[in-house]
Amino acid sequence: KQEVTQIPAALSVPEGENLVLNCSFTDSAIYNLQWFRQDPGKGLTSLLLIQSSQREQTSGRLNASLDKSSGRSTLYIAASQPGDSATYLCAVFGRDFGNEKLTFGTGTRLTIIP
Amino acid sequence: ETGVTQTPRHLVMGMTNKKSLKCEQHLGHNAMYWYKQSAKKPLELMFVYNFKEQTENNSVPSRFSPECPNSSHLFLHLHTLQPEDSALYLCASSQDLSTDTQYFGPGTRLTVL
Repeated sequence: KQEVTQIPAALSVPEGENLVLNCSFTDSAIYNLQWFRQDPGKGLTSLLLIQSSQREQTSGRLNASLDKSSGRSTLYIAASQPGDSATYLCAVFGRDFGNEKLTFGTGTRLTIIP
Repeated sequence: ETGVTQTPRHLVMGMTNKKSLKCEQHLGHNAMYWYKQSAKKPLELMFVYNFKEQTENNSVPSRFSPECPNSSHLFLHLHTLQPEDSALYLCASSQDLSTDTQYFGPGTRLTVL
């Protein structure tokens, strides 16, 4: 059974700092990994999707890496801003008990301090 | 965010009530999903529909009944729920049942009294 872990559960950093969020997964047989953002009481917004054959993806100030063999991914946020405050969720897409599905972590709640 | 809409946004119901959650996607996608998000737990996949056909039911209790009349609309019918069913219910869609990005709606915050 695939399990996705995100540590820490919460993180506070001053505005302007660079930061890294971590994600680990137990089964490396995945098709892709996605990072999502969730604002309080709202749905999820996809930030980056990394296919299993890729090592990283970049979008603006965000960079996500994937090391499939070690079951790890990181989301790097450069020059953090208060608007980056949200919960960041990592999810892997793969086969779990015969079904293909997204398996989510519990998220890291990020607070950027102005 | 407006690609997938959900109504109502908030719902409070008693354990004997019957209600329905609605999801609509305007993206021309073929696959739609229901997820449950409870406090301090990962999102749980509940149901998957592909071209209006249910392809997956992750051991969800029968008090939750999905319906997909066409590939743009998805319903979740609720009856005789329990307080532990209180959660944020999220709908998502994707182009196909494969490795495509899933697009999520804003969710329905459900409280069962």
